[in-house]
Amino acid sequence: AQSVTQLGSHVSVSEGALVLLRCNYSSSVPPYLFWYVQYPNQGLQLLLKYTTGATLVKGINGFEAEFKKSETSFHLTKPSAHMSDAAEYFCAVSGGGGTYKYIFGTGTRLKVLA
Amino acid sequence: SQTIHQWPATLVQPVGSPLSLECTVEGTSNPNLYWYRQAAGRGLQLLFYSVGIGQISSEVPQNLSASRPQDRQFILSSKKLLLSDSGFYLCAWSVLGERVEAFFGQGTRLTVV
Repeated sequence: AQSVTQLGSHVSVSEGALVLLRCNYSSSVPPYLFWYVQYPNQGLQLLLKYTTGATLVKGINGFEAEFKKSETSFHLTKPSAHMSDAAEYFCAVSGGGGTYKYIFGTGTRLKVLA
Repeated sequence: SQTIHQWPATLVQPVGSPLSLECTVEGTSNPNLYWYRQAAGRGLQLLFYSVGIGQISSEVPQNLSASRPQDRQFILSSKKLLLSDSGFYLCAWSVLGERVEAFFGQGTRLTVV
């Protein structure tokens, strides 16, 4: 079974400050991990993904995440927040291979303060 | 390129009425298809997924059903809506291979009154 825990349903940062959104996962098989962003009343857009290989992955809009197997974590970071980053962010896990399901966390709403 | 269409964008339905939401994918074959529901503070809940025509897996027993009459068509239905069916419904697709992520439609906001 797989699960995702996102710590902090709401995060506020000042414009220009570091963004850190936390994600911990549980998986009985090597995981594929994803971060998605959602703007109001829209679908989800992929920010970045980890499958295999390099544990530090870079995505769109300056975001990156690091897969840490020992900590079962996949935290999302961005060095400098921009007003346009305000949105809801979802971490997700799938089992890869023959596992078809994507399990999502409860989301973190990011607010960027001017 | 691949695209996913989901409609309608918004829907207001009375309690006890039927529901049909449709999702179609273009530009790919044999996709895995998904229906998710998003409720405030609860993230995305996987409702159904399908790996082929007529093959539906239900994740959460409830008042909804899904069908896949064609390879790239996925339908979410209900015979009688409940107030608790209100939410934001998202359709998604994926294809196992190099690109392992799921791609989402724009969603349907369903309000049951």
